[in-house]
Amino acid sequence: DQQVKQNSPSLSVQEGRISILNCDYTNSMFDYFLWYKKYPAEGPTFLISISSIKDKNEDGRFTVFLNKSAKHLSLHIVPSQPGDSAVYFCAASEGNTPLVFGKGTRLSVIA
Amino acid sequence: NAGVTQTPKFQVLKTGQSMTLQCAQDMNHNSMYWYRQDPGMGLRLIYYSASEGTTDKGEVPNGYNVSRLNKREFSLRLESAAPSQTSVYFCASSEQRTGFYEQYFGPGTRLTVT
Repeated sequence: DQQVKQNSPSLSVQEGRISILNCDYTNSMFDYFLWYKKYPAEGPTFLISISSIKDKNEDGRFTVFLNKSAKHLSLHIVPSQPGDSAVYFCAASEGNTPLVFGKGTRLSVIA
Repeated sequence: NAGVTQTPKFQVLKTGQSMTLQCAQDMNHNSMYWYRQDPGMGLRLIYYSASEGTTDKGEVPNGYNVSRLNKREFSLRLESAAPSQTSVYFCASSEQRTGFYEQYFGPGTRLTVT
């Protein structure tokens, strides 16, 4: 059973607009959430994270929101740029256990 | 500072052949991981090593073995390759500390088993 779900396999957004990537989880014990970005033929790279004691974390154009009651988090990219086109993975951890990853969402930013 | 390195980058095997995927990190991290990525399946954990001298199974360990050779190196072995093991394999490492830990990934090994 998937503990971390990214229900949208793909998303297309126009350059300059907001991209919103969503992630749901089932394990209420998860206490850290991370987003990774992956370009073709490269390994995933860390983008942004949030602790379960917060509901928002911002880093430049990237903001992650956490709604613990709904077991939902989202990644907002504003404004979206063509270089943001990649696969985005949501991941979660409980204590020091290994990260659990979602299946990813492919974002295409159209110029 | 190379981060996480993996060898080889590409490999083609015949069913039944064996091989070892190598991974090394130069960040003095305690923990290391092996994942496989298949289309539509995301990243699935095969094995991990929380610290030197320990290894544990992940979500999909069948058909694989691992060795934590020292703090820097963590290898993944396929004893008898099967077509179902065709995948992209990623090694990662992290510094084990309380709470948040970010995993750093290598560039991947693309393995095809015919």
